[in-house]
Amino acid sequence: IAGITQAPTSQILAAGRRMTLRCTQDMRHNAMYWYRQDLGLGLRLIHYSNTAGTTGKGEVPDGYSVSRANTDDFPLTLASAVPSQTSVYFCASSDTGGYNEQFFGPGTRLTVL
Amino acid sequence: GQNIDQPTEMTATEGAIVQINCTYQTSGFNGLFWYQQHAGEAPTFLSYNVLDGLEEKGRFSSFLSRSKGYSYLLLKELQMKDSASYLCAVMDSNYQLIWGAGTKLIIKP
Repeated sequence: IAGITQAPTSQILAAGRRMTLRCTQDMRHNAMYWYRQDLGLGLRLIHYSNTAGTTGKGEVPDGYSVSRANTDDFPLTLASAVPSQTSVYFCASSDTGGYNEQFFGPGTRLTVL
Repeated sequence: GQNIDQPTEMTATEGAIVQINCTYQTSGFNGLFWYQQHAGEAPTFLSYNVLDGLEEKGRFSSFLSRSKGYSYLLLKELQMKDSASYLCAVMDSNYQLIWGAGTKLIIKP
């Protein structure tokens, strides 16, 4: 692994189903983030984690949950998917020193029908 | 509220210079970032400004005026591969990034 990986690359999901998006980084970054990106809107923060064992809510947390059991992994779960959660989801990580440049994974394109 | 404004789309010619502007109103300021995002790909870091002035990095330069809540990204000697979206983001008082919607730059031969 080099950098950040996300899985799956894309997914079509029926409304009401549960879905977990996976994110793994190998840079030993303390902080990790989940964003959604929708056409015409900026990246919006869903949840974040400043260090393993802690998580926080971002701008649009409703309908999503996260966990941070270790430094490398930061899964995002949609408990009961709705069509408005159709989006491209990016995971990112950063060190907590310096100016905290964020490194992004390749994204997951999710369609909820 | 917090707001980042940048033009939706710009067109420029290969070999020319283009300036992409960004204005912001945020609760606190801990630096401004520019990212490049090619279609279907992840954003990648271009520059960071926290003090007023110009930061130059090869063909790309970024300027910041904190008193005016204003930044620009200057791209020189444009190449076709520079066709992408350019995202402006401000780190607020909670050290979270607030993102603009991005400027789609189209380069014509």
